[in-house]
Amino acid sequence: GNSVTQMEGPVTLSEEAFLTINCTYTATGYPSLFWYVQYPGEGLQLLLKATKADDKGSNKGFEATYRKETTSFHLEKGSVQVSDSAVYFCALGGNQFYFGTGTSLTVIP
Amino acid sequence: EAGVAQSPRYKIIEKRQSVAFWCNPISGHATLYWYQQILGQGPKLLIQFQNNGVVDDSQLPKDRFSAERLKGVDSTLKIQPAKLEDSAVYLCASSLGGHQDYGYTFGSGTRLTVV
Repeated sequence: GNSVTQMEGPVTLSEEAFLTINCTYTATGYPSLFWYVQYPGEGLQLLLKATKADDKGSNKGFEATYRKETTSFHLEKGSVQVSDSAVYFCALGGNQFYFGTGTSLTVIP
Repeated sequence: EAGVAQSPRYKIIEKRQSVAFWCNPISGHATLYWYQQILGQGPKLLIQFQNNGVVDDSQLPKDRFSAERLKGVDSTLKIQPAKLEDSAVYLCASSLGGHQDYGYTFGSGTRLTVV
């Protein structure tokens, strides 16, 4: 069945460091892939998405490329800020969403 | 546009008590979802409605959980009786259609603590 495996955290980085959060998936068909972000005390917000192989989703300096050959959708950002501190969820779409376990990111000044 | 509204934000109950959560989706969104997010885990789908009909409730523990969406708008999720392992954040989400392409909007959730 469909599933998502996400890099475990927590991750702590200094401001302006490079961020990578790994995500791999198992799926039938050709689902869309998503990254959601959850700030403390808030609901999930869509960060970016990619709908087909080799698509790159991007938003707020974050990027992720849909790699069918490696079944991956790793999240990257070149220079993180304190305001990026949150929990990040990789998700597989379809008629319902399958979420990874989440990766907590803390960025320190 | 207004977001997905959920209430209450927090609830603490004793085990074996009952509790209900309410969700008001975005106006015009036909599909409504309830997810359970246990601490340290990703959200897990409990039930999906299309208008006022159930599309998928395969992961809903039906011996204690129930949900309804009367008139295809607001929805209520109930737990009776609650167990300690039900402590979680209950998220409601809505979308125009029942597929990924329509996008989901999540509410802020209800944090339930069972003691």
